[in-house]
Amino acid sequence: AQTVTQSQPEMSVQEAETVTLSCTYDTSESNYYLFWYKQPPSRQMILVIRQEAYKQQNATENRFSVNFQKAAKSFSLKISDSQLGDTAMYFCAFMKLNYGGSQGNLIFGKGTKLSVKP
Amino acid sequence: SQTIHQWPATLVQPVGSPLSLECTVEGTSNPNLYWYRQAAGRGLQLLFYSIGIDQISSEVPQNLSASRPQDRQFILSSKKLLLSDSGFYLCAWSKNANQPQHFGDGTRLSIL
Repeated sequence: AQTVTQSQPEMSVQEAETVTLSCTYDTSESNYYLFWYKQPPSRQMILVIRQEAYKQQNATENRFSVNFQKAAKSFSLKISDSQLGDTAMYFCAFMKLNYGGSQGNLIFGKGTKLSVKP
Repeated sequence: SQTIHQWPATLVQPVGSPLSLECTVEGTSNPNLYWYRQAAGRGLQLLFYSIGIDQISSEVPQNLSASRPQDRQFILSSKKLLLSDSGFYLCAWSKNANQPQHFGDGTRLSIL
């Protein structure tokens, strides 16, 4: 079974600085997807970024980028130029590649609470 | 563009009462649909998923059930709520099993 571990329950960062959130996972699959989701105080779950395991290039979305280390099974999220609106719970999630009529089962970590301070 | 609607946003119910949470998706057809529960301070746990009308799979045995009477409608139900059913319930959809899931705004369920 796959597991996702986020070892940092809480983190804080000053506005405009850079912060990195850690995530490790365990799987025997060779093809899979990794995601970071953001859940602000409003509780809506928002997709931040995704990475396909077969791609060596790290995904980037504006101020958000990942450091994907497949051999180490590590998938960290870097937030550059942190903004007050980045304050949220951040969840790392794993999904194996699915074939046929199967579902896409997301396995979530327990989350990291990020506070951006002015 | 696709949107997902989930209601109600907040619900307070007594123990033993029935439950019906509704989720609908617009702007796409034949989506994969999911129900998750998030307990306080924890990640999300998949409860049910559906790849088509009347095709429901349960991930965790529990007091809840799900139905998909229409292509873009997913309903979470219970005949008799337990205290342990309290939590934050999220509905999600994806185009297929290999696409990202997109979540609704969630329902905060409190059982008294």
